[in-house]
Amino acid sequence: NAGVTQTPKFRILKIGQSMTLQCTQDMNHNYMYWYRQDPGMGLKLIYYSVGAGITDKGEVPNGYNVSRSTTEDFPLRLELAAPSQTSVYFCASTSKERWGDPNEKLFFGSGTQLSVL
Amino acid sequence: AQSVTQLGSHVSVSEGALVLLRCNYSSSVPPYLFWYVQYPNQGLQLLLKYTTGATLVKGINGFEAEFKKSETSFHLTKPSAHMSDAAEYFCAVSRSGSARQLTFGSGTQLTVLP
Repeated sequence: NAGVTQTPKFRILKIGQSMTLQCTQDMNHNYMYWYRQDPGMGLKLIYYSVGAGITDKGEVPNGYNVSRSTTEDFPLRLELAAPSQTSVYFCASTSKERWGDPNEKLFFGSGTQLSVL
Repeated sequence: AQSVTQLGSHVSVSEGALVLLRCNYSSSVPPYLFWYVQYPNQGLQLLLKYTTGATLVKGINGFEAEFKKSETSFHLTKPSAHMSDAAEYFCAVSRSGSARQLTFGSGTQLTVLP
């Protein structure tokens, strides 16, 4: 019953450091997404993946990298962290890219709060 | 292009009062519309969504929303607020029903007063 699991929940980085935000899902979903949520703003798409080995950029990809070696895992890598990357990061997954059925939806993790100082 | 505007970043209601959260959208094609709720320290959960068909959509926890094409609106309502409804609510639009093309509003924080 785990759903989408993100680790860590909180992290403080110094400028220039790097880190990987982990995301794993146990629902066998092909489609996975990384969003960032800035204060007072809606979520913005960073990267997404339509299956193992296939990733693509979203609206705000600069400063991030992703990989998808398995169906379950979709880690987000921050290289050379900058204060502008202070945000809350959410991972999400879904079984279908397009939602015709009322029961199809995005499943979200509980988020990683990242501060870059 | 598509966009979402949520009117009012903070809304306060008394317990038992009507909840009305406003959402207007712009989309060049018939949109798919969504309302998500975010409780403290949790990820977003889908409340309801409009794809096609009936314009009044019922969701979980007694919420509903009506798609009004002429007004480009998708306002969220609940007849009687409960303390447990206190959360942040996000409206979102996707012109193709695709997750990669979801555009979120900036959110409305709902406070329920005893």
